[in-house]
Amino acid sequence: DGGITQSPKYLFRKEGQNVTLSCEQNLNHDAMYWYRQDPGQGLRLIYYSQIVNDFQKGDIAEGYSVSREKKESFPLTVTSAQKNPTAFYLCASSIYSGGPGRKETQYFGPGTRLLVL
Amino acid sequence: AQTVTQSQPEMSVQEAETVTLSCTYDTSESDYYLFWYKQPPSRQMILVIRQEAYKQQNATENRFSVNFQKAAKSFSLKISDSQLGDAAMYFCAYRSLYNTDKLIFGTGTRLQVFP
Repeated sequence: DGGITQSPKYLFRKEGQNVTLSCEQNLNHDAMYWYRQDPGQGLRLIYYSQIVNDFQKGDIAEGYSVSREKKESFPLTVTSAQKNPTAFYLCASSIYSGGPGRKETQYFGPGTRLLVL
Repeated sequence: AQTVTQSQPEMSVQEAETVTLSCTYDTSESDYYLFWYKQPPSRQMILVIRQEAYKQQNATENRFSVNFQKAAKSFSLKISDSQLGDAAMYFCAYRSLYNTDKLIFGTGTRLQVFP
C-alpha cells in the first residue's frame, strides 16, 4: 500500500542528546515537509524539501536539521540546541509541480510524539 | 503575511444533524488554496476537502461541503448527517500559490458528536 510512515511513534530524549525522527514515503512524491504541533496550536513548518539533495528552512528551523539523500526519505534530527523539543512531529509529502503554479495537496504521516526525560 | 483564524475552539452536534465550522483568513494574494484537515484522536492529519481560490464553485466531498466567500475571506466547513466518527479536531489551512510550500494552519476546532 502507498503511504507515509513515521517512526518511532514515541521518542524520548535526554538532556543534551540529538535524536532522529524517520519519515519514509512510497508515493513517489517529490516534496516532503516536517511540521511541529504544540498543544492547542496548529502546525508550524520546520523544514521542507522539493527535490533530492535540496531543502529549505521553514518558520521554526532553529535547533533542527534535515537531509534528503533519497526521494523516499526525509529524516529530521532534533539537536541539543532545540531547548523545547517536546511536541508532536508530523511529516508530509506532495507532488511538486515546480515553481509558481498549481501545487498539489500535502498528505500526512501518522506522527511522532517526542518527550524529554 | 497570511493568517488563518478559527474562532470556535469547540463545537458540538447531535448525530445525523448538520454543523458548520468557521474559518477566516487574511491574505493580499488573489490566488491560493484552502484546505480543511481532520485530526482524530490518532493524531494523523487527514485531508477533508480542498478549494482553489480561482474556482467560484464550492467544493464538496460526500457529506462535507464548504462555503467559500472570497471577498469576505471566509471558508466554512459544513458537515451534514454527522456521524460519531466525525468527532475530531478540524484545522483550516491556507497555502500560497507563489511563496513557500508551507501550509498555514488555524488553531483548530474540536468537534464533539453526541448520539
